[in-house]
Amino acid sequence: KAGVTQTPRYLIKTRGQQVTLSCSPISGHRSVSWYQQTPGQGLQFLFEYFSETQRNKGNFPGRFSGRQFSNSRSEMNVSTLELGDSALYLCASSVTSGNTDTQYFGPGTRLTVL
Amino acid sequence: KQEVTQIPAALSVPEGENLVLNCSFTDSAIYNLQWFRQDPGKGLTSLLLIQSSQREQTSGRLNASLDKSSGRSTLYIAASQPGDSATYLCASSNYNQGGKLIFGQGTELSVKP
Repeated sequence: KAGVTQTPRYLIKTRGQQVTLSCSPISGHRSVSWYQQTPGQGLQFLFEYFSETQRNKGNFPGRFSGRQFSNSRSEMNVSTLELGDSALYLCASSVTSGNTDTQYFGPGTRLTVL
Repeated sequence: KQEVTQIPAALSVPEGENLVLNCSFTDSAIYNLQWFRQDPGKGLTSLLLIQSSQREQTSGRLNASLDKSSGRSTLYIAASQPGDSATYLCASSNYNQGGKLIFGQGTELSVKP
């Protein structure tokens, strides 16, 4: 069974631009969560989607948004990029939205903002 | 505010040694506690998940324990190997917050041959 895939793996953008990251969950998984990882703040929760609905949201500005499609694939968008948005963005999938399931993480997208 | 703390931040041990990584959490309504491994520049690999009703879980050389009353979890690695070198992260989830995980800052483990 294929794991969680994220595209692209690496991205370089300049301040003010916007970016869209994609995450394909494990087949059969309906929940997708997104996390930002930086050396200073560690791993921080962005949001969770289940059955195309946002179930939970972290403390990030409105520039960070996401969506989920009917096939459970998810995208996150960051508008008006800032230098501080440089990070490893990880998505994780699980079978359900509850917290009984192990979450499986993808390899991440490394975003660099210049 | 829910917080997860991991001590020490870094640990270096000789090959073959048994070791314990520590994780403490403030969430009194913890639902489960997960341990992950992260290799440099890579994603996270799930190691063990302990439900709040459980006291421990074992997988191969790994054993994780959970003590809700004290707000602590430990990951025991037996007979460490150089391939165990990685950053180990623990994360808690709450009854009311679905799949949201609160992560500790991790312990960077180095096992020397």
